[in-house]
Amino acid sequence: LAKTTQPISMDSYEGQEVNITCSHNNIATNDYITWYQQFPSQGPRFIIQGYKTKVTNEVASLFIPADRKSSTLSLPRVSLSDTAVYYCLVEGAGNKLTFGGGTRVLVKP
Amino acid sequence: NAGVTQTPKFQVLKTGQSMTLQCAQDMNHNSMYWYRQDPGMGLRLIYYSASEGTTDKGEVPNGYNVSRLNKREFSLRLESAAPSQTSVYFCASSERPGGLAGELFFGEGSRLTVL
Repeated sequence: LAKTTQPISMDSYEGQEVNITCSHNNIATNDYITWYQQFPSQGPRFIIQGYKTKVTNEVASLFIPADRKSSTLSLPRVSLSDTAVYYCLVEGAGNKLTFGGGTRVLVKP
Repeated sequence: NAGVTQTPKFQVLKTGQSMTLQCAQDMNHNSMYWYRQDPGMGLRLIYYSASEGTTDKGEVPNGYNVSRLNKREFSLRLESAAPSQTSVYFCASSERPGGLAGELFFGEGSRLTVL
């Protein structure tokens, strides 16, 4: 079962880019990397998923190096509404979709 | 399209009482999950059901039972509630079992307090 490690918290300012790195040293060949966002009193919401290199959608980018032992979620030009907890998951066949502690991102004006 | 619906949203129990949290999804998803989230903590998997008719333990199954009633519904039962089970419970569903590039869809949560 691939374990993930993320920073506990990060502060940023409106308009800046936020990069959150997740370590997953024992990721398996068939595992995917997925990021979720959670606001207070809500369930997590899917942000982005990738397997290797770079994936981009309308809200974020996900960078995965060749060895896939880490991944970086990039949030461009954050706003106050991006203040949330961000979770990195490693999903593989038979994985029990385990969430780690997440990274609390605080965006300041 | 309601997505994942959990009931009740709030519940207060006394120690030793039993209750069932209900979860239903209308997305025709195969897999369903129950998580708990304690204050300031991440989510911990209690039980999951990869497909209709199957259930399996997650990280913290002790004190809980589940039933995959049909493809739509997945219930979580506390047989004898304890204060340590005070938490927010989230149900989730996905089209495919974990590990096959699936996306989890979560309900709004059920806040349980055990006195």
